[in-house]
Amino acid sequence: ETGVTQTPRHLVMGMTNKKSLKCEQHLGHNAMYWYKQSAKKPLELMFVYNFKEQTENNSVPSRFSPECPNSSHLFLHLHTLQPEDSALYLCASRQEVGGNTIYFGEGSWLTVV
Amino acid sequence: DAKTTQPPSMDCAEGRAANLPCNHSTISGNEYVYWYRQIHSQGPQYIIHGLKNNETNEMASLIITEDRKSSTLILPHATLRDTAVYYCIVNGASYGKLTFGQGTILTVHP
Repeated sequence: ETGVTQTPRHLVMGMTNKKSLKCEQHLGHNAMYWYKQSAKKPLELMFVYNFKEQTENNSVPSRFSPECPNSSHLFLHLHTLQPEDSALYLCASRQEVGGNTIYFGEGSWLTVV
Repeated sequence: DAKTTQPPSMDCAEGRAANLPCNHSTISGNEYVYWYRQIHSQGPQYIIHGLKNNETNEMASLIITEDRKSSTLILPHATLRDTAVYYCIVNGASYGKLTFGQGTILTVHP
């Protein structure tokens, strides 16, 4: 248990569906991240939020839409995805001030059919 | 952030120490060395990090050379549950924006 909880753990969606991934951290951190891990590839950073503000979008297609309503919650809204978007999506958090270590959730396995 | 080089795979017998090397010859003075591991189908797990001094916690020890150009992660008594991909990452100013490489696949066998 890392203090970063992701739901759902597994999601299967059609290319025309709209779904969301949810992340909640119980660590009192104020920076949150979305990473993507495709099969046989290293983790790729997608988005960074600091104090609820998006500070980085790593050239992610607009069919992925993040939302950070507060420092404890992070969502990734998904719509019109492609089969190649099937991957493990990882949420992470860190204390922006005075903290270096980033903690990951268990991930959400997404399959697009 | 500086680049790291790790062997693609290593084996270790259960109960023995696993020593995982990492080269980071371009590391700069304010960059930390982090180690994470990822067990299949799970999120990366933080293990340990250090700047200059050797570090030890309940999971592992981290030995950093004096010139800081390389480090070794030591799992003192490897178990089958330590089988995972181990990532060595150098991280400085871009805290949190960890750049993951391919890592080392450690297989612990009976």
